[in-house]
Amino acid sequence: KNQVEQSPQSLIILEGKNCTLQCNYTVSPFSNLRWYKQDTGRGPVSLTIMTFSENTKSNGRYTATLDADTKQSSLHITASQLSDSASYICVAHPYTGGFKTIFGAGTRLFVKA
Amino acid sequence: DVKVTQSSRYLVKRTGEKVFLECVQDMDHENMFWYRQDPGLGLRLIYFSYDVKMKEKGDIPEGYSVSREKKERFSLILESASTNQTSMYLCASSLGYKGAAHEQYFGPGTRLTVT
Repeated sequence: KNQVEQSPQSLIILEGKNCTLQCNYTVSPFSNLRWYKQDTGRGPVSLTIMTFSENTKSNGRYTATLDADTKQSSLHITASQLSDSASYICVAHPYTGGFKTIFGAGTRLFVKA
Repeated sequence: DVKVTQSSRYLVKRTGEKVFLECVQDMDHENMFWYRQDPGLGLRLIYFSYDVKMKEKGDIPEGYSVSREKKERFSLILESASTNQTSMYLCASSLGYKGAAHEQYFGPGTRLTVT
């Protein structure tokens, strides 16, 4: 069964600290993986996308990694800011040519001053 | 700038009422989606449309129907609202024919409460 599992469920960090969010997927065959950021009261917005042949992708202070062998991805946030408080959702796309998209439940990040 | 708008941010309806949720995108995208988002669960696909008047069921279509009469507009209909349909509803759009790999652009969501 195609699944995406994220950990931790929630995380509290102090402003300025780094953190890493984890994503394990069992989607097969695999096409690509995205990380979305969802601010409270808003829809998700794409941060990064990686195909199975890419290991890392950066977007400012956000760096995503992908290990297609172990089917794991991580999102690393450097020098966190209060505005990073949000839910981060890992999304895997099967290589089927269809519209199926597998969403993780998300990690809720709280950045405190 | 890409924009997906939803007709209401908050909605309260009574059990048995017919509910319409409207979504409009201004990006000329072929694909449009309706999801529901519940705490502890990932987004779950209700229905998907890849062209005008075309629709496909997602993972949880029961109790819902959709309408796409124009390319920019995708409506979700709850024929007879029930309390277990209380949820956040998110609309999204993307490029491409059945292009699941394309980035999806989401609206702000409608928080529906059925009492």
